[in-house]
Amino acid sequence: GNSVTQMEGPVTLSEEAFLTINCTYTATGYPSLFWYVQYPGEGLQLLLKATKADDKGSNKGFEATYRKETTSFHLEKGSVQVSDSAVYFCALNSGSARQLTFGSGTQLTVLP
Amino acid sequence: EAGVAQSPRYKIIEKRQSVAFWCNPISGHATLYWYQQILGQGPKLLIQFQNNGVVDDSQLPKDRFSAERLKGVDSTLKIQPAKLEDSAVYLCASSSYASGKSNTEAFFGQGTRLTVV
Repeated sequence: GNSVTQMEGPVTLSEEAFLTINCTYTATGYPSLFWYVQYPGEGLQLLLKATKADDKGSNKGFEATYRKETTSFHLEKGSVQVSDSAVYFCALNSGSARQLTFGSGTQLTVLP
Repeated sequence: EAGVAQSPRYKIIEKRQSVAFWCNPISGHATLYWYQQILGQGPKLLIQFQNNGVVDDSQLPKDRFSAERLKGVDSTLKIQPAKLEDSAVYLCASSSYASGKSNTEAFFGQGTRLTVV
């Protein structure tokens, strides 16, 4: 079956630090990969996605590259801000029903 | 465009009571999902509808959970009777995905936080 493994948190960084959140996956077929973000008190929002190998998704300074050879989709940002504090979820969808399978989430706190 | 609407936002009930959650998806979205998110975990799919038909309910605890999507628009999720371990956030999502159309984004509501005491 499909599964997503994220690095365990929480992660605490100072403002302007470099961020990496690791994500690896197991899936049948050719999944699409996603990063969702959940700000405090809000619902899940799509941050970025990649639909095939070597695609790079990017949004709001965040990037992730679909690496089929290492089955990974690590999230990176060169300089985090306090406003980036949130929970980040890696996810995939695969199969005919296109259901999302989520990782366990990584809590990011950015300190001023 | 209006997002996915869910109500109520919060609910506290005693164990063995029943509870219902409501979801109104984005207009025109054929696919609707209910997810359960237990604290500290990622969302887990409970049930997926396409229009008013069930695509997948393999992870829905059918002895106590039920869901319907009459007329292929709004949906309700019911728990009867509730257990302590049902305490979680229940998320509704919708997408324009239909069979044969690839990779459409799922949009999530704010969720209903259920506490069973």
